[in-house]
Amino acid sequence: SYVLTQPPSLSVAPGETARITCGGDNVGSKNVHWYQHKSGQAPLLVIYYDSDRPSGIPERFSGSNSENTATLTITRVEAGDEADYYCQVWDRTTEHRVFGGGTKLTVL
Amino acid sequence: QLAESGGGLVKAGGSLRLSCVASGDSVNDYIFNWVRQAPGKGLEWVAYISTYSTYTIYADSVKGRFTVSKHNSKNSLYLEMNSLRAEDTGIYYCARDTPRGAAFDVWGQGTMVTVSS
Repeated sequence: SYVLTQPPSLSVAPGETARITCGGDNVGSKNVHWYQHKSGQAPLLVIYYDSDRPSGIPERFSGSNSENTATLTITRVEAGDEADYYCQVWDRTTEHRVFGGGTKLTVL
Repeated sequence: QLAESGGGLVKAGGSLRLSCVASGDSVNDYIFNWVRQAPGKGLEWVAYISTYSTYTIYADSVKGRFTVSKHNSKNSLYLEMNSLRAEDTGIYYCARDTPRGAAFDVWGQGTMVTVSS
């Protein structure tokens, strides 16, 4: 089955830029979606189809995807961005939806 | 727009039926999924049901034990869970696909399932 690999944790200072990676075999050929998940809340779609932003998501959130790595970039990080972030793809071979293991973003 | 219910405590080997009521659009017009999160773990996709319930897909971990279905007149989605195991413990979310498919843009708040061994 298809595997997506994320770093378990990332720490950044307020105002800095956070880059969360999602690695997978030729993931650049797939559409990658990103979710923000805060404890006790429902996950929130922040980027879909590699780089599209749903309505209401700040422009500080952006995405890219090439070759074997997709990246979620959050500029001018705020305390409210502290959350777990997950990448997700649709694996055409199995037709399964696949999540990465998640990255815990800590704002220092 | 999505509200799950039906979670609770059940013994290993037992069964449970989760419900997800959708407000607004008809459940038949969208693809829906169930996603779960075990305590201290990440998100795991569990099941998929197509528009008009013509097609279902399951994660290997639940295939043969879980069944996803829709009820159009109740505008609801269900997850029938049988032969439950301790590793099925977690928060279960229903999630709707975007119109373009494959990403989940609407989520419920989740319902907790605890399987005691």
